[in-house]
Amino acid sequence: DADVTQTPRNRITKTGKRIMLECSQTKGHDRMYWYRQDPGLGLRLIYYSFDVKDINKGEISDGYSVSRQAQAKFSLSLESAIPNQTALYFCATSDGDTVVEKLFFGSGTQLSVL
Amino acid sequence: DQQVKQNSPSLSVQEGRISILNCDYTNSMFDYFLWYKKYPAEGPTFLISISSIKDKNEDGRFTVFLNKSAKHLSLHIVPSQPGDSAVYFCAASDNTGKLIFGQGTTLQVKP
Repeated sequence: DADVTQTPRNRITKTGKRIMLECSQTKGHDRMYWYRQDPGLGLRLIYYSFDVKDINKGEISDGYSVSRQAQAKFSLSLESAIPNQTALYFCATSDGDTVVEKLFFGSGTQLSVL
Repeated sequence: DQQVKQNSPSLSVQEGRISILNCDYTNSMFDYFLWYKKYPAEGPTFLISISSIKDKNEDGRFTVFLNKSAKHLSLHIVPSQPGDSAVYFCAASDNTGKLIFGQGTTLQVKP
């Protein structure tokens, strides 16, 4: 079983729709992250959370919101999806206890906004 | 403003030869650097890292070199194997709990 699970794996939606991407982890890590991958731009940080009550904006948070419902769950919402939010989205976790911030990624959610 | 840059979108090498992937950064506060590898339909996985107090770290066929004065690091894969074909991301950490990634380089190793 995957340690970091993202649902759905693929989603097609229309402009203006509200979308939620979900992430759950069994690694027991406190820190969770949402990244998006775009061709030529690499991975960019959207939001991150170091604890259940902690939410922080990343490089590109506009148009997104997140909810940390429990240590194991971190969801990403697009309140009103637009076509330039079409991307591959990754959830990641880390334990935050080591010197190097090693992230563990889920398999990704491919989102297409038409 | 891209703080971590991988200027080569793609690289093709012959099996058995050396692959060299390059990465440049602008933020002198970065103190740890990592390389991730990504196969299609999978998430990135950690490959190797290096602290800013070192200039080289080796793990089997993979070696990362860091040149702090030039703000440049490189990943060497020797010998390259077809299974190494993937997208490689360079990432940097400034000890705030976040990783900043480069654009990625797609490596193709031809048999």
